[in-house]
Amino acid sequence: DSGVTQTPKHLITATGQRVTLRCSPRSGDLSVYWYQQSLDQGLQFLIQYYNGEERAKGNILERFSAQQFPDLHSELNLSSLELGDSALYFCASSVSPYPGLAGKNTGELFFGEGSRLTVL
Amino acid sequence: TQLLEQSPQFLSIQEGENLTVYCNSSSVFSSLQWYRQEPGEGPVLLVTVVTGGEVKKLKRLTFQFGDARKDSSLHITAAQPGDTGLYLCAGANFGNEKLTFGTGTRLTIIP
Repeated sequence: DSGVTQTPKHLITATGQRVTLRCSPRSGDLSVYWYQQSLDQGLQFLIQYYNGEERAKGNILERFSAQQFPDLHSELNLSSLELGDSALYFCASSVSPYPGLAGKNTGELFFGEGSRLTVL
Repeated sequence: TQLLEQSPQFLSIQEGENLTVYCNSSSVFSSLQWYRQEPGEGPVLLVTVVTGGEVKKLKRLTFQFGDARKDSSLHITAAQPGDTGLYLCAGANFGNEKLTFGTGTRLTIIP
């Protein structure tokens, strides 16, 4: 158990609809990351928040948006859904805003179990 | 854009055999991490390497960071069925909030 909680675990919806994915980070972690994993592909970075502020943006579509709330949980909103949006969406959290660092303030990312979105 | 290519994309071997998977980039990274992802779960960190030429061992797994910090390898000795999973490398640069993941190697160990 990574300590990161994602809901829902599975979601089936239709094209054109809007969904919200929720993430609760590990206790004490200030950074939240969102990644998309499509079939047979690696993890595509979408967006990162640190203590409520957006810190980095990846290949996130304009139809997608996210935010981190004062209690540090985060939501990823996906709108005008298309078939190609079907994927696993992972949330990860870390203590540091700089992923990949080794040492005391490690940039280890702790991942949730993901939310599997199917758009029909 | 920094890209990390992993090879092979798929690997299926018998239990007890040795294997090496590779992570290559044309870009320099300050650090490189390896994660393992099992079906239905999120990736879990195995190791972080930060120094060019660094070698780290985790039981039967040996990780090496290239001298130029552009590539890395993961060697597994006497593979076990429990090693089955998707292996992902991820590169980072100090001061940059973005962690770039590789394309992944899907490893299957046949009992």
